[in-house]
Amino acid sequence: QITLKESGPTLVKPTQTLTLTCTFSGFSLSTSGVGVGWIRQPPGKALEWLAVIYWNDNKQYSPSLKTRVTITKDTSKNQVVLTMTNMDPVDTATYYCAHRRSSVYGGNSVFDFWGQGNLVTVSS
Amino acid sequence: EIVLTQSPGTLSLSPGERATLSCRASQSVSSTYLAWYQQKPGQAPRLLIYGASNRATGIPDRFSGSGSGTDFTLTISRLEPEDFAVYYCHQYGNSPWTFGQGTKVEIK
Repeated sequence: QITLKESGPTLVKPTQTLTLTCTFSGFSLSTSGVGVGWIRQPPGKALEWLAVIYWNDNKQYSPSLKTRVTITKDTSKNQVVLTMTNMDPVDTATYYCAHRRSSVYGGNSVFDFWGQGNLVTVSS
Repeated sequence: EIVLTQSPGTLSLSPGERATLSCRASQSVSSTYLAWYQQKPGQAPRLLIYGASNRATGIPDRFSGSGSGTDFTLTISRLEPEDFAVYYCHQYGNSPWTFGQGTKVEIK
């Protein structure tokens, strides 16, 4: 059974750096084809993909946020960490992490399991 | 970046009725990489359809997906009370992966 859970602050000040941790179970980030990504959703708005990291440490970032976002993994702890610098009130959103597995390795390549989300408010 | 435009913004229907949701892409999307999600208030998105027409595990067969190129459709054959929610399409074939703005299916 695959589960993911986001943890981190609920309130950050403008210009601060946000660090969110995704702790997962039911799969390993050392398994070929497996990836964990981050997606966010401002209140009442649509979803936005931010970044993804794969079992082989390959990473992809959304171009619009690439200069501010870093994704890393700790395979031994079953964790993925998202760091976002220079936070602004427009970054207020629920941040989700999600699992995917490449179809080349038997998955469906889509974000199929999601965490419950972590609402982050950016305000002074 | 591929922009996904969903229509209508809101669909007002009664239980038992058929719902047809549209997702139009600004450029061709491989049908292998088009998905649909359902989201209820306060919950994470739930995967319904991947690869344009494949139901995810545990999804009832009243949900079906179709389409190719730039036009995709999610159909709910007979709405159940638990189907009233927001639905998003998502393309994951071209980076950056993008989502539509959502269609809300509400009780009429």
